Amino acid sequence: QSALTQPPSASGSPGQSVTISCTGTSSDIGEYNYVSWYQQHPGKAPKLIIYEVTKRPSGVPDRFSGSKSGNTASLTVSGLQTDDEADYYCSSHAGINNPYVFGTGTKVTVL
Amino acid sequence: QVQLQESGAGLVKPSQTLSLTCAVSGVSISSADFSWSWIRQAPGRGLEWIGYIYRNGNNYYNPSLKSRVTISLDRSKNQFSLKVTSVTAADTAVYYCARGGPIYGMDVWGQGTTATVSS
Repeated sequence: QSALTQPPSASGSPGQSVTISCTGTSSDIGEYNYVSWYQQHPGKAPKLIIYEVTKRPSGVPDRFSGSKSGNTASLTVSGLQTDDEADYYCSSHAGINNPYVFGTGTKVTVL
Repeated sequence: QVQLQESGAGLVKPSQTLSLTCAVSGVSISSADFSWSWIRQAPGRGLEWIGYIYRNGNNYYNPSLKSRVTISLDRSKNQFSLKVTSVTAADTAVYYCARGGPIYGMDVWGQGTTATVSS
């Protein structure tokens, strides 16, 4: 079971946008519209910020948006704020025999 | 308000069994149409999905851990549990329980509990 591939780091200045990619295969991201994204601050539990590729749970600002093209999903954080500095993980359903896989994680730094 | 709280042994000897419990409050695990998941994070590493269980007791595991992992429900106590057998140092991690699974994501998480494998 291979993890989804994310860039190790990304950065932006306050107010700018940053986009994180998440590359999988035709057996996970490419097959299913069940991509989720999680935000994790140091020492804290992850928080769900996107599910089903584009949907936001209640309470998550619309500065966070998700998309997918082929085998790659993306998370865009617009209007960066200092509190957005965190680790971000993508995840995807990958079929009945390999139900769930996480990405390698991306550390976002707000300059 | 749904809350999850992990508990269990913090220190486990190599080759023994790691046992953790996740107490759920604010919703009945028997009636709510959710799956219940376990995830872990080794020190300085990323998230690793362990497995999940549905309210009917059907469960699904990470293929790389399947031979050593069991997730079960205790409906009388409104909690679910994780057992990992034959542990090694590689099983040292923060273990999280969460509501949800691969389809709709995991929307409620416990605070996490650290399990250390050491003699």
